[in-house]
Amino acid sequence: DQQVKQNSPSLSVQEGRISILNCDYTNSMFDYFLWYKKYPAEGPTFLISISSIKDKNEDGRFTVFLNKSAKHLSLHIVPSQPGDSAVYFCAARGLGNDYKLSFGAGTTVTVRA
Amino acid sequence: GAVVSQHPSRVICKSGTSVKIECRSLDFQATTMFWYRQFPKQSLMLMATSNEGSKATYEQGVEKDKFLINHASLTLSTLTVTSAHPEDSSFYICSASLSRGKFSPLHFGNGTRLTVT
Repeated sequence: DQQVKQNSPSLSVQEGRISILNCDYTNSMFDYFLWYKKYPAEGPTFLISISSIKDKNEDGRFTVFLNKSAKHLSLHIVPSQPGDSAVYFCAARGLGNDYKLSFGAGTTVTVRA
Repeated sequence: GAVVSQHPSRVICKSGTSVKIECRSLDFQATTMFWYRQFPKQSLMLMATSNEGSKATYEQGVEKDKFLINHASLTLSTLTVTSAHPEDSSFYICSASLSRGKFSPLHFGNGTRLTVT
């Protein structure tokens, strides 16, 4: 049962424009959400996270928005750069002292020059 | 810089042999590490939680006798794929958290590409 869903398998965006990646979750016990970036044959790299007590977190070009009532979060990348071309995974973790993450299926972002 | 180191980055082995993958936390102690697996164009699936000094906790459907995990020290966890078969070919990734804080992200190693021929 997929508790974290990324319904868009791919996204193509012009360099300099905004990339918006979406993620939905079903488990209302999730309280910590993360975005990872992954290049082929490499491990995921942590990008940005947000706890359930916030609705926005910003770090440089990356901003994550959380809508708890809709069980939805999004990652905004602006401006998009060619080096942002990668697979982006949304992940979530539940309450308790359990560090296990549930991952979405990933969205492949291609930034066009 | 990297906080989790994984070795080897890729390995090819013959069917029936065993392969050991090492995961090390760099400059921090990790009482818990996690082993994930990724099939091509799919998401990361948690295989097991490696606990220092105690038995690993395996996710449903993961054979503990096939995927042996040892977490003998606070900086090293190993995953041994025993009697490997072609269907075990996959990308294996370990991860650890820098702290035990509730909102501390997992950091991942660079993964190991296992090909069983």
